[in-house]
Amino acid sequence: KQEVTQIPAALSVPEGENLVLNCSFTDSAIYNLQWFRQDPGKGLTSLLLIQSSQREQTSGRLNASLDKSSGRSTLYIAASQPGDSATYLCAAQTGANSKLTFGKGITLSVRP
Amino acid sequence: NAGVTQTPKFQVLKTGQSMTLQCAQDMNHEYMSWYRQDPGMGLRLIHYSVGAGITDQGEVPNGYNVSRSTTEDFPLRLLSAAPSQTSVYFCASSPGGWGYGYTFGSGTRLTVV
Repeated sequence: KQEVTQIPAALSVPEGENLVLNCSFTDSAIYNLQWFRQDPGKGLTSLLLIQSSQREQTSGRLNASLDKSSGRSTLYIAASQPGDSATYLCAAQTGANSKLTFGKGITLSVRP
Repeated sequence: NAGVTQTPKFQVLKTGQSMTLQCAQDMNHEYMSWYRQDPGMGLRLIHYSVGAGITDQGEVPNGYNVSRSTTEDFPLRLLSAAPSQTSVYFCASSPGGWGYGYTFGSGTRLTVV
């Protein structure tokens, strides 16, 4: 059974800091690793998707990496802004049924 | 494209009542799923479908039924609502397989009193 862990549960940083959010998974036989953002009371917005054959994906100030052998993914946020404050969730897609297994998320607060 | 549409956005039920949460997607995705999100528990898979006529149970299926008669629609039925089913429910869809992620609806916030 796939298990996804995100530690720490919460993070507070000053504006402008570069930061790394970690995600680990137990079953390396994944199809994709997807990062989402969730604002309070809102739905999930997809940020980046990394296929199992890829090492990283970039979108603007965001960069996500994937190391299947070690069961880890990281989301790098450059030059953080108060608008980046949200909960960030990673999800591993596994199995012939392409099921998603989520971590519990990291709640990020960027202080002005 | 509307993407994944969930209705209603908010609902209050009394214990024992039944209701259906609607989910529709216009992207011709084969894979559809229902999740519930609870504080401290994260998102947990309730039921999923890999195509019209095919459904299966996820991690927390008890108290919920689904059916998939068309590619577009995947309704979630609460048979006899219980306070433990108070949660935020999300529907998601995907083409499935390598390189294709999931698109989520905006959620239904359900309170059972």
